Amino acid sequence: KQEVTQIPAALSVPEGENLVLNCSFTDSAIYNLQWFRQDPGKGLTSLLLIQSSQREQTSGRLNASLDKSSGRSTLYIAASQPGDSATYLCAVTETSGSRLTFGEGTQLTVNP
Amino acid sequence: DTAVSQTPKYLVTQMGNDKSIKCEQNLGHDTMYWYKQDSKKFLKIMFSYNNKELIINETVPNRFSPKSPDKAHLNLHINSLELGDSAVYFCASSRRQGAKGYTFGSGTRLTVV
Repeated sequence: KQEVTQIPAALSVPEGENLVLNCSFTDSAIYNLQWFRQDPGKGLTSLLLIQSSQREQTSGRLNASLDKSSGRSTLYIAASQPGDSATYLCAVTETSGSRLTFGEGTQLTVNP
Repeated sequence: DTAVSQTPKYLVTQMGNDKSIKCEQNLGHDTMYWYKQDSKKFLKIMFSYNNKELIINETVPNRFSPKSPDKAHLNLHINSLELGDSAVYFCASSRRQGAKGYTFGSGTRLTVV
């Protein structure tokens, strides 16, 4: 059974710092890995999708990497801003299909 | 707007009632899902439909019954609501069973009193 773990569970940083969020998964047989952002009381916003054949994806200040063989992904946020404060969720799509398994999230607070 | 839309956004109801949550997507996706986010914010799949066919049915009480009238709609009906059903329910959709990522609705916050 796929399990996804995110470390740290919570992170508080001053504005301007570069930071890394970690995600690990137990079964490397995945289609892809997706990073989401969830603001309090809101839905999920997709940030980056990495296919199993890819090593990384970039969007603006965000960069996500994937090491499928070791079951790890990182989300790098450059020059963090208070508006980045949210919960970041990592999720994998299993090759068995139709199942997105989530980690428990990293709650990020960026202080002005 | 292209999106996954759920209604209602908030639902407060008494124990024992029956309620439904509706979901519609206009993304042309062929697979739709219901996820539950509990009080600890953990998201877990409940059901998945591909082209109106149920393909995932997790260990969910049979008081929960999904219905997909067509591949753009997936509704969730809950009978005899219990306090423990209070959660946020998210609808999502994808193409080809998630091979190109998922799009989520904004959620329905269900409170059972």
